Amino acid sequence: DVKVTQSSRYLVKRTGEKVFLECVQDMDHENMFWYRQDPGLGLRLIYFSYDVKMKEKGDIPEGYSVSREKKERFSLILESASTNQTSMYLCASSPSQGSYYEQYFGPGTRLTVT
Amino acid sequence: SQQGEEDPQALSIQEGENATMNCSYKTSINNLQWYRQNSGRGLVHLILIRSNEREKHSGRLRVTLDTSKKSSSLLITASRAADTASYFCATDMGRRALTFGSGTRLQVQP
Repeated sequence: DVKVTQSSRYLVKRTGEKVFLECVQDMDHENMFWYRQDPGLGLRLIYFSYDVKMKEKGDIPEGYSVSREKKERFSLILESASTNQTSMYLCASSPSQGSYYEQYFGPGTRLTVT
Repeated sequence: SQQGEEDPQALSIQEGENATMNCSYKTSINNLQWYRQNSGRGLVHLILIRSNEREKHSGRLRVTLDTSKKSSSLLITASRAADTASYFCATDMGRRALTFGSGTRLQVQP
């Protein structure tokens, strides 16, 4: 079974702190994604990566950056956390099989910025 | 704005009844997928339907796709309390990443 793990289930940080969210997948998938999920808004794509050191902005990249130094690991960085970044963060991965792929999700990290 | 919009936002039914959720989208797609999310957890893929398919089945799930109306429906037959979850449609517009709707919260009463 594909396994996607995230470094923390719950995280509490202070405004202005630099925050790292880590995601690791064990199925040698090319594509990895970071989403945030807020009530009534569904999942919104922050960034995705289709290869090591490659990244593309999603729909809401402002205030975030990412790093993919190894194929299995994709990190989301909040350079200076703000209260409006309090949210559930979901990581996903998928194989590169043309357009017909499913995404495998991690359990999520619920981040609270105070 | 969201590419996929689910309807209804919330649905409450009795165990044994069928549940139908709808998804509408705005632009042409390669495929459409449905995911399930149990409370506070990650999403799990349920079924994928390609743009040239009209209907697909998987166990108690039936998905239809009408590309002329830009809509899809997910039918869960003979629902169980364990089906209680949020259900999301996601569209593949060919940019590698999926675009998710805001979801339907399904409550199945035992």
